[in-house]
Amino acid sequence: GEDVEQSLFLSVREGDSSVINCTYTDSSSTYLYWYKQEPGAGLQLLTYIFSNMDMKQDQRLTVLLNKKDKHLSLRIADTQTGDSAIYFCAEDPSGNTPLVFGKGTRLSVIA
Amino acid sequence: DAGVTQSPTHLIKTRGQQVTLRCSPISGHKSVSWYQQVLGQGPQFIFQYYEKEERGRGNFPDRFSARQFPNYSSELNVNALLLGDSALYLCASSLPGQEETQYFGPGTRLLVL
Repeated sequence: GEDVEQSLFLSVREGDSSVINCTYTDSSSTYLYWYKQEPGAGLQLLTYIFSNMDMKQDQRLTVLLNKKDKHLSLRIADTQTGDSAIYFCAEDPSGNTPLVFGKGTRLSVIA
Repeated sequence: DAGVTQSPTHLIKTRGQQVTLRCSPISGHKSVSWYQQVLGQGPQFIFQYYEKEERGRGNFPDRFSARQFPNYSSELNVNALLLGDSALYLCASSLPGQEETQYFGPGTRLLVL
């Protein structure tokens, strides 16, 4: 089957904005999610967006959703070294609760 | 409030052995899901339980089984371990009526030698 696609690596300078992109597979997905995973740790739910929304902002995080292209992005403003982690995009196909994850984007923040 | 807790944190087993992993959900959460995360990949869904009933199962062999207890904690059991079962096993819980929002525990890292 199709996979949730993410670029594998992103490197930004401290203070710059980071944009992590994702292409998901199921146009019936009700929610789209962004999770953060720090080394050796579990997944932290960062934010999620309902499929009838185009944008959601939560402090330094902005999520943009393009349903037509099945494209999701996460923008982190004023990126800090503590933002260095792997970021996973996930969808719930057809509204089922088992989440389908991408392979993750490793964000490196250079001081 | 305590988050999702999992035990043990790390485990080393040999091929052919059996392992049991444990998960306690956030207080008030009744649904528990298990995911397997192989190094360099995203998590893959294994099982979901709600009110002690299996609600969903991912594409895993019958060597994998799980159950949920009356207090909503859960166990994942894997028999006849293979080298490829080495992974981080994640448990997630969610509130009734909000099963789409899952909160993950720190995981159990299993190494099969």
